[in-house]
Amino acid sequence: ILNVEQSPQSLHVQEGDSTNFTCSFPSSNFYALHWYRWETAKSPEALFVMTLNGDEKKKGRISATLNTKEGYSYLYIKGSQPEDSATYLCGNAGNMLTFGGGTRLMVKP
Amino acid sequence: DVKVTQSSRYLVKRTGEKVFLECVQDMDHENMFWYRQDPGLGLRLIYFSYDVKMKEKGDIPEGYSVSREKKERFSLILESASTNQTSMYLCASSPPGSGGALNTQYFGPGTRLTVL
Repeated sequence: ILNVEQSPQSLHVQEGDSTNFTCSFPSSNFYALHWYRWETAKSPEALFVMTLNGDEKKKGRISATLNTKEGYSYLYIKGSQPEDSATYLCGNAGNMLTFGGGTRLMVKP
Repeated sequence: DVKVTQSSRYLVKRTGEKVFLECVQDMDHENMFWYRQDPGLGLRLIYFSYDVKMKEKGDIPEGYSVSREKKERFSLILESASTNQTSMYLCASSPPGSGGALNTQYFGPGTRLTVL
């Protein structure tokens, strides 16, 4: 059983839709929360590393929030584009970095 | 830019063979990691190393060993490959500190290993 859970497992949206997905982790064993984007046939790339409760980070149309007390993080994509299609991984850095199963996003043109 | 390279993108081996997966990074990072990725299970940590000749077990070390003789190179070894080791293997590196917890990890492109 993963102690980092991501939902949904997959998501299909139309170009221009905004979307969000969730990463849940045990709040009792938290040090940092990582988000990565993994496009097919490429290496996973870091999006954000977040440590502070209430933190919000933004990179272009992508943003993330963090709630360490209740153990969740949201990733938002505003105005999805086909190039946003990828698997989005979150990882909870407690003793070591533990990843969730990922959310696979497919954006249809 | 950090570059992490892996020796093969695709590899096909037979059950019982000894398999070496090589990973090289060019940014002088202390920490290096080996993960495997299976559908629905995310990335699972096999082993990591925080210095030359140092290694630590991750979540799923059984059936694997590692070698770190030089700072830039981290090898994953399957002593006797089995079909349940068919998977995508990813290597990563990061700067020092907290076992990689706070620092971004930089990933290689992955090796898709099939064991027949």
